Amino acid sequence: SQTIHQWPATLVQPVGSPLSLECTVEGTSNPNLYWYRQAAGRGLQLLFYSVGIGQISSEVPQNLSASRPQDRQFILSSKKLLLSDSGFYLCAWAGQGVFTEAFFGQGTRLTVV
Amino acid sequence: EDKVVQSPLSLVVHEGDTVTLNCSYEVTNFRSLLWYKQEKKAPTFLFMLTSSGIEKKSGRLSSILDKKELFSILNITATQTGDSAIYLCAFRASGTYKYIFGTGTRLKVLA
Repeated sequence: SQTIHQWPATLVQPVGSPLSLECTVEGTSNPNLYWYRQAAGRGLQLLFYSVGIGQISSEVPQNLSASRPQDRQFILSSKKLLLSDSGFYLCAWAGQGVFTEAFFGQGTRLTVV
Repeated sequence: EDKVVQSPLSLVVHEGDTVTLNCSYEVTNFRSLLWYKQEKKAPTFLFMLTSSGIEKKSGRLSSILDKKELFSILNITATQTGDSAIYLCAFRASGTYKYIFGTGTRLKVLA
């Protein structure tokens, strides 16, 4: 069966520090991968998605970037964090089929102080 | 621009009540509409709807899609405290791999 791992679960970082959040998927190949951010108690904002190694689509101009160095690895990064980067970050994967659902990791709670 | 709007934003009911959550969307080349439940961390998948008028049902939860009027509803009958969560609606358009989510509805069920 497929599983998705996301870490760390929580993170407190000072303003101006770098960020690296990692997400890996097991049990499937060539998944579509996604990064979402969720404001407190609200909906999900799509940040990046990837349909293959090295292929990244950015949805929202911001202080973040994403990379996909391996088929089942998706990384969210920042060179210098801002207070506004605080939030709950969710990684997800979906199959390549026409009618497929997305499956989510447990998320990372990021607090920038 | 493609978008999805959920209503109400929040809802408080008592155990045993029936609730209806709404999701309306504006999207070109609609492919599918999905409902998720988020209790604490990871949203979990509930339903995928692709055709109008066909009800999807799982226990006390059911959902239906109206592609003409561009909306979907999620019904929960005989609510329980365990139904307390944020319910998220999302769509996927043809020709894209993106899942676009709405604002969510926060449901609280009181004992």
